[in-house]
Amino acid sequence: NAGVTQTPKFQVLKTGQSMTLQCAQDMNHNSMYWYRQDPGMGLRLIYYSASEGTTDKGEVPNGYNVSRLNKREFSLRLESAAPSQTSVYFCASTSGTEYINEQFFGPGTRLTVL
Amino acid sequence: AQSVAQPEDQVNVAEGNPLTVKCTYSVSGNPYLFWYVQYPNRGLQFLLKYITGDNLVKGSYGFEAEFNKSQTSFHLKKPSALVSDSALYFCAVRLTFSGNTPLVFGKGTRLSVIA
Repeated sequence: NAGVTQTPKFQVLKTGQSMTLQCAQDMNHNSMYWYRQDPGMGLRLIYYSASEGTTDKGEVPNGYNVSRLNKREFSLRLESAAPSQTSVYFCASTSGTEYINEQFFGPGTRLTVL
Repeated sequence: AQSVAQPEDQVNVAEGNPLTVKCTYSVSGNPYLFWYVQYPNRGLQFLLKYITGDNLVKGSYGFEAEFNKSQTSFHLKKPSALVSDSALYFCAVRLTFSGNTPLVFGKGTRLSVIA
């Protein structure tokens, strides 16, 4: 049981390049989330998927797209990376009645955009 | 709109002393409240939550938190701090019934426990 896994762990991009961050969970969770963490800003929600086949915008969705590929996988895509997207990205998931259950987090992807 | 505030960016405490990390929230209904901890270069880990019932909630690693509805607070406490408790702590809130509204996180408080 690996929990929530993210790939890659580190990435350096040039401005304008695109990339996809991968996230997978093996806990049969319904809901999945993408956050970014910046110093002094805490965690900010980018997108989330309450269930397979649905996605919704969070607090900071601009410049990102997501795909809930199946129940296990939820990817985050940067179409044209900008230096402002330099951050640490975390994927998380929640089981069952997500309002009362805790979120499980992946180890993060550290992204630098030059 | 729901929000959560952690008024201290940094808390320093001597090993063996009690510690408190503060959290206040603002929601229009009854909240679900959570504490998470983040160790260096790791993802967040769940510590404890308040859903309903007893206002004093006990969690992992000897931590506890007290829900105070009148003061809209949910402070994290531990009777005797360890150096290994040094980490970044996040408070988070969600309304009791809010459709698909996800958690709202505070900005985090860095705890340093000094030997």
